[in-house]
Amino acid sequence: GENVEQHPSTLSVQEGDSAVIKCTYSDSASNYFPWYKQELGKRPQLIIDIRSNVGEKKDQRIAVTLNKTAKHFSLHITETQPEDSAVYFCAASIRYSTLTFGKGTMLLVSP
Amino acid sequence: NAGVTQTPKFRVLKTGQSMTLLCAQDMNHEYMYWYRQDPGMGLRLIHYSVGEGTTAKGEVPDGYNVSRLKKQNFLLGLESAAPSQTSVYFCASSSAWGYTFGSGTRLTVV
Repeated sequence: GENVEQHPSTLSVQEGDSAVIKCTYSDSASNYFPWYKQELGKRPQLIIDIRSNVGEKKDQRIAVTLNKTAKHFSLHITETQPEDSAVYFCAASIRYSTLTFGKGTMLLVSP
Repeated sequence: NAGVTQTPKFRVLKTGQSMTLLCAQDMNHEYMYWYRQDPGMGLRLIHYSVGEGTTAKGEVPDGYNVSRLKKQNFLLGLESAAPSQTSVYFCASSSAWGYTFGSGTRLTVV
């Protein structure tokens, strides 16, 4: 089955810096790659997603890039703010079926 | 429009007890899922369903059973709870437009 590796496990940045989280996947048939933000005690919330026919997608301070050849995708957050502090998960699936998640990255943004 | 509703939100069980977690969705989604979340492990798929009357095993199915008798409901059962099943359980449903997660059930087995 699909295997998703996520790095780093923790990331500390200063407010205003950029943050990058990287994921690799194993199943070349995967074609949907969402990113979730989870605050303590809350459910995962979708922040951005990308489908395999697109190489990059941006939504204000958040962007995701996908390299299908190398089977990796990355989350980029620019101008980080303290409220960006949370755990971020990448995931992969085939046509909106079962999601396979990475183990998560705890992002800490210091004022 | 409630989305995905999980009950209960919290539960403490004694080892060997049984219980059922209920997930209900009102979005007419065909696909439903049960995940468990443990510290440092991300979310792992327990069981899933691709439609009413169907179920399938995920990554960590041992010790759990599921049923999908109605399209809107997906039940997760623990027949004989073990401390290793202490976790946060999330239900989700999906369509071509994406996934919706419930608010989670925090289960402690003592």
